[in-house]
Amino acid sequence: TQLLEQSPQFLSIQEGENLTVYCNSSSVFSSLQWYRQEPGEGPVLLVTVVTGGEVKKLKRLTFQFGDARKDSSLHITAAQPGDTGLYLCAGSRGTSYGKLTFGQGTILTVHP
Amino acid sequence: ETGVTQSPTHLIKTRGQQVTLRCSSQSGHNTVSWYQQALGQGPQFIFQYYREEENGRGNFPPRFSGLQFPNYSSELNVNALELDDSALYLCASSFSGGAQETQYFGPGTRLLVL
Repeated sequence: TQLLEQSPQFLSIQEGENLTVYCNSSSVFSSLQWYRQEPGEGPVLLVTVVTGGEVKKLKRLTFQFGDARKDSSLHITAAQPGDTGLYLCAGSRGTSYGKLTFGQGTILTVHP
Repeated sequence: ETGVTQSPTHLIKTRGQQVTLRCSSQSGHNTVSWYQQALGQGPQFIFQYYREEENGRGNFPPRFSGLQFPNYSSELNVNALELDDSALYLCASSFSGGAQETQYFGPGTRLLVL
């Protein structure tokens, strides 16, 4: 069974602080995706990383895929209350991105 | 272009009953995947349908079954409901055949089994 371990599970910070969420596995994934989910909604894709060592930036969000394609991180700079939500990492194997293995999620709360 | 829609939004059933959840995929998409998300957990892959055939299944018992129709919409059926089936059921559609598939999730159906 492929498992993705996310840490921390809960994160409560003040506006303006930086944070990092980690996603680790003992298995190799062909790609890894990060999603954000808000209450009452489905997950929304933030980014897909496919190459070991890849770094992608999306405004204040920086995503990194580990060299061995077993781990990933999401770093948020100067967090804002609008960043509050559930952050999920999900990995897939092979060429199909449709059969995802999700981590258990990180609940982020950013206080004004 | 309409997004992924799911119905109903909420459902309450009792143990032993059967339930059917529905998903309309995004226009142009040919693949539908279903996930179960228990409270406080990440989604778990149930199965995927591609061109009306099951194309991969997660660790779920046979009482979880599905269908995909010619218009690529899909149903998830659960028989003999158990209390642990209470969860948010998510449907995601994508287009298989491109260089990279992006899944688009619906808002989910929240099922409560009493």
